[in-house]
Amino acid sequence: NAGVTQTPKFQVLKTGQSMTLQCAQDMNHNSMYWYRQDPGMGLRLIYYSASEGTTDKGEVPNGYNVSRLNKREFSLRLESAAPSQTSVYFCAMGAGTSTPGANVLTFGAGSRLTVL
Amino acid sequence: AQTVTQSQPEMSVQEAETVTLSCTYDTSESDYYLFWYKQPPSRQMILVIRQEAYKQQNATENRFSVNFQKAAKSFSLKISDSQLGDAAMYFCASEGGSEKLVFGKGTKLTVNP
Repeated sequence: NAGVTQTPKFQVLKTGQSMTLQCAQDMNHNSMYWYRQDPGMGLRLIYYSASEGTTDKGEVPNGYNVSRLNKREFSLRLESAAPSQTSVYFCAMGAGTSTPGANVLTFGAGSRLTVL
Repeated sequence: AQTVTQSQPEMSVQEAETVTLSCTYDTSESDYYLFWYKQPPSRQMILVIRQEAYKQQNATENRFSVNFQKAAKSFSLKISDSQLGDAAMYFCASEGGSEKLVFGKGTKLTVNP
């Protein structure tokens, strides 16, 4: 997908293992997001970063940590994976304009994570 | 808190016909945006159309148009001349100044040849 790269695309973990999903954008945008998608649930926001060095919890943050060390990268870490974290994860970037509500998101291709 | 409701889990349409996908939302914001995203089997999220709440005129993008009823908090998507490539999950979303999109649960659209 133009602008947002997620790795890995697929991952299988055992319960209790840890892993980090990586996301990088090349559009020099301020805001970045991690969503998870589950069948029948739509997309739910896990964490959000308005700018480098800042992060904020979304709707479903439990069991996850994030890191925004620079403007380009926003990683999502599962410290001790659980079967309930089996999902498709999407990273997104937004222009973060000063106009309220004008923040069109561009999404990565998604990462399918299975926790056994 | 914002909420977005899509009441149709699945819809189907014949190729070349018109279909309307429903969406209602709730927000306390006075200034907000509404979006429709398409997710084909490839899983990629693609922006279809967006509407600025303060604009009276309904947004259109080629065969895609919206019916925005602000008082009713309704934001439906009309797809005209449906094509096989329109088959996908469609998600309605709202954003009210917090820079965070809230999504509905989606509608799966099937296009029959």
